[in-house]
Amino acid sequence: DAGVIQSPRHEVTEMGQEVTLRCKPISGHNSLFWYRQTMMRGLELLIYFNNNVPIDDSGMPEDRFSAKMPNASFSTLKIQPSEPRDSAVYFCASSYRDRAYEQYFGPGTRLTVT
Amino acid sequence: QKEVEQDPGPLSVPEGAIVSLNCTYSNSAFQYFMWYRQYSRKGPELLMYTYSSGNKEDGRFTAQVDKSSKYISLFIRDSQPSDSATYLCAMSDTYNFNKFYFGSGTKLNVKP
Repeated sequence: DAGVIQSPRHEVTEMGQEVTLRCKPISGHNSLFWYRQTMMRGLELLIYFNNNVPIDDSGMPEDRFSAKMPNASFSTLKIQPSEPRDSAVYFCASSYRDRAYEQYFGPGTRLTVT
Repeated sequence: QKEVEQDPGPLSVPEGAIVSLNCTYSNSAFQYFMWYRQYSRKGPELLMYTYSSGNKEDGRFTAQVDKSSKYISLFIRDSQPSDSATYLCAMSDTYNFNKFYFGSGTKLNVKP
């Protein structure tokens, strides 16, 4: 099993640009989570999907952030326009819906907005 | 006040020591308690999972939950340099058990 795959691993962009982060969950998992990790705020849940449907997006910081899951094997997190305070490590995780305690995290995307 | 509080450390111990890591929380509805380990520049990985109160043991690791005190612990026996990492506690409630609240993490360094 390849585990959760995220791309890109590193992204450096200028303020105002659009950023798209990608995630491929583990095959067979039906829940997908997007997290953001910073030194100041730690690991925060942004949004999660069950069976490709967004369930809770209360952690999405503002309208500049959007997430989609068009099918069971792919999800995107988009930031438009990006700002320096969006700089963080973004993790995608997946799990079986009835075993949500066992989330498998990807390697993360380190985003730097200058 | 944050939902979950965790001492950030760093905690430095000699190899072979017993390590105690702790979290406190404020939401009495939390029922699921997890410990994740995160190595530098990697994603977190699940170590232990406990439902409600009690103890759970897995090899050198023991997780304890005291719901009356809203306090959870992770004990590591015979600590090894390979245990050096950041340890994150996470919790969720029965109504929305997919939604984790993470502690800020405790950085542990085990010196050979």
